Amino acid sequence: EVQLVQSGAEVKKPGESLKISCKGSGYNFTSFWIAWVRQMPGKGLEWMGIIYPGDSHTIYSPSFEGQVTISADKSINTAYLQWSSLKASDTAMYYCARSVVVASYFDSWGQGTLVTVSS
Amino acid sequence: DIQMTQSPSTLSASVGDRVTITCRASQSISSWLAWYQQKPGKAPKLLIYKASSLESGVPSRFSGSGSGTEFTLTISSLQPDDFATYYCQQYNTYLLLTFGGGTKVEIK
Repeated sequence: EVQLVQSGAEVKKPGESLKISCKGSGYNFTSFWIAWVRQMPGKGLEWMGIIYPGDSHTIYSPSFEGQVTISADKSINTAYLQWSSLKASDTAMYYCARSVVVASYFDSWGQGTLVTVSS
Repeated sequence: DIQMTQSPSTLSASVGDRVTITCRASQSISSWLAWYQQKPGKAPKLLIYKASSLESGVPSRFSGSGSGTEFTLTISSLQPDDFATYYCQQYNTYLLLTFGGGTKVEIK
């Protein structure tokens, strides 16, 4: 069974750094892309970027380039999303999702990681 | 950027109703469109890909149609488990994948 399991909820202060994770199992992790999707409270879905764990090739949405860093460690089947300096506006649910090719639909999703940034 | 516009934003319907949700793209995306269902507090779930292909395990009451710039998701007979928010997503270009704003299907 394909599974993407994300790290737990985080509460941070503005200016702090954060790295959340997404661990894949049940499939060849290096042969599929992993995307990150943001959902702000009460809002819709926004594609942030995508990584191919096989070679760490990464593409960012222009809206998120420079704001976050997407990475992966194929030795432990895990993708990451990180911030160097959080803002209150980063408060959201973050999902990882799997796709077969870089421009595709997402056939499996993580359960989501809620990030709350508040002073 | 390709903008995706869903309508309506909210839909009130009863169990057994036929429900249709529309998604319009700001430029042609061929058939590179997916539909998802999201329930409160849960991750989205893939229903339809390539505009009309039903994902494995998804009930046959869900169907998708369209190409180019106009697409529809139809639920032939609404069931209690179908009350949720539905999103379309275009994947015509890897440079920026975009979602529609969502359609919430509520109990009438």
